[in-house]
Amino acid sequence: DGGITQSPKYLFRKEGQNVTLSCEQNLNHDAMYWYRQDPGQGLRLIYYSQIVNDFQKGDIAEGYSVSREKKESFPLTVTSAQKNPTAFYLCASSIPKLNTEAFFGQGTRLTVV
Amino acid sequence: AQKVTQAQTEISVVEKEDVTLDCVYETRDTTYYLFWYKQPPSGELVFLIRRNSFDEQNEISGRYSWNFQKSTSSFNFTITASQVVDSAVYFCALSKSGGSYIPTFGRGTSLIVHP
Repeated sequence: DGGITQSPKYLFRKEGQNVTLSCEQNLNHDAMYWYRQDPGQGLRLIYYSQIVNDFQKGDIAEGYSVSREKKESFPLTVTSAQKNPTAFYLCASSIPKLNTEAFFGQGTRLTVV
Repeated sequence: AQKVTQAQTEISVVEKEDVTLDCVYETRDTTYYLFWYKQPPSGELVFLIRRNSFDEQNEISGRYSWNFQKSTSSFNFTITASQVVDSAVYFCALSKSGGSYIPTFGRGTSLIVHP
């Protein structure tokens, strides 16, 4: 079945550690996105990528990094520079030239302990 | 810049009531797309509807209906005869057409349907 897979579903991190969230899609979508969701804040865009080897900062990119070495994969690293990383992270993909809806993964809940 | 406003943070209804979720958007583009998504407790956003800016026809799908009014920049969502399974967070989203298409989401409306 085609879709987006995020892993892990739950992640615990100690303060000061970097952690990488995985996002893989087999939909052959060109664009991929990372959103952060906090209670009452809706979805805020962290990074997005519209083609391989290219990505752009979103509204809240500070303390995060990404790579897009393959079309299928768009991992997000939460670095120690991110002051408040505890949140729910959602990965999505779409086909911009067809104006499709975004397809979402099941999310990763990151907790800093 | 694009903006989506969902003024209702939380709505609580009793089963079988009708409920309308409001969405107001801002954009300078003449061609754009509007979306509604449902986020159940499991967390994954589920796509409900897409509407382009040139199509102002209302749409009905079962108990769901959508009212798009360009004159008021609104794209409201109504659930008729609500059910407990409708309990979720609902997001309205906006994107411009084509190349630099980045979905912008509202803050979401949490709908609680009581039995």
